[in-house]
Amino acid sequence: DQQVKQNSPSLSVQEGRISILNCDYTNSMFDYFLWYKKYPAEGPTFLISISSIKDKNEDGRFTVFLNKSAKHLSLHIVPSQPGDSAVYFCAASAGNYGQNFVFGPGTRLSVLP
Amino acid sequence: NAGVTQTPKFRVLKTGQSMTLLCAQDMNHEYMYWYRQDPGMGLRLIHYSVGEGTTAKGEVPDGYNVSRLKKQNFLLGLESAAPSQTSVYFCASSYGRGDTEAFFGQGTRLTVV
Repeated sequence: DQQVKQNSPSLSVQEGRISILNCDYTNSMFDYFLWYKKYPAEGPTFLISISSIKDKNEDGRFTVFLNKSAKHLSLHIVPSQPGDSAVYFCAASAGNYGQNFVFGPGTRLSVLP
Repeated sequence: NAGVTQTPKFRVLKTGQSMTLLCAQDMNHEYMYWYRQDPGMGLRLIHYSVGEGTTAKGEVPDGYNVSRLKKQNFLLGLESAAPSQTSVYFCASSYGRGDTEAFFGQGTRLTVV
């Protein structure tokens, strides 16, 4: 049973608009969350993180929101650019318990010019 | 600045053959990981290491062995390859475990025929 779910396998957005990628988790012990971006034939690269003591973290065009009661987080990209087209992975861990990260299946984002 | 380097990038094996995937990091990270990526499954942890001379099983360890004789290197071995091990393999390293991001290699695409 997947502990981290990304229910949208793919998402298409027009350039300049907002992209919203969603992630749900089942383990209430998860207290640290990461988003990675992955281009074809490359390894994932870290994008942004959030810990459970916050409900929002922002870095330039990227903002991650955490709703602990709903066990849901989302990544907002504003404005979306063609170079953002990639697969985005959500990852979660019970970091305070020394646990490893668990990854979601990923969402493929296509930003259309 | 190499980061995490994996060799080889591609490999085709016959069922029953053995091979070793090499991973090297130059960031002096204590933690190292081997993942496999399959369609719709995200990244699944095979084995990991919390320091030189240590190894531990991850989510999908069967059919694989690992060694970490030196801090900068983490080796993944397949003793008798099976078609189910056809996948893309990623090595990663991190400074911390469940509360810091990991740096990934570029991946090894392995096909077992």
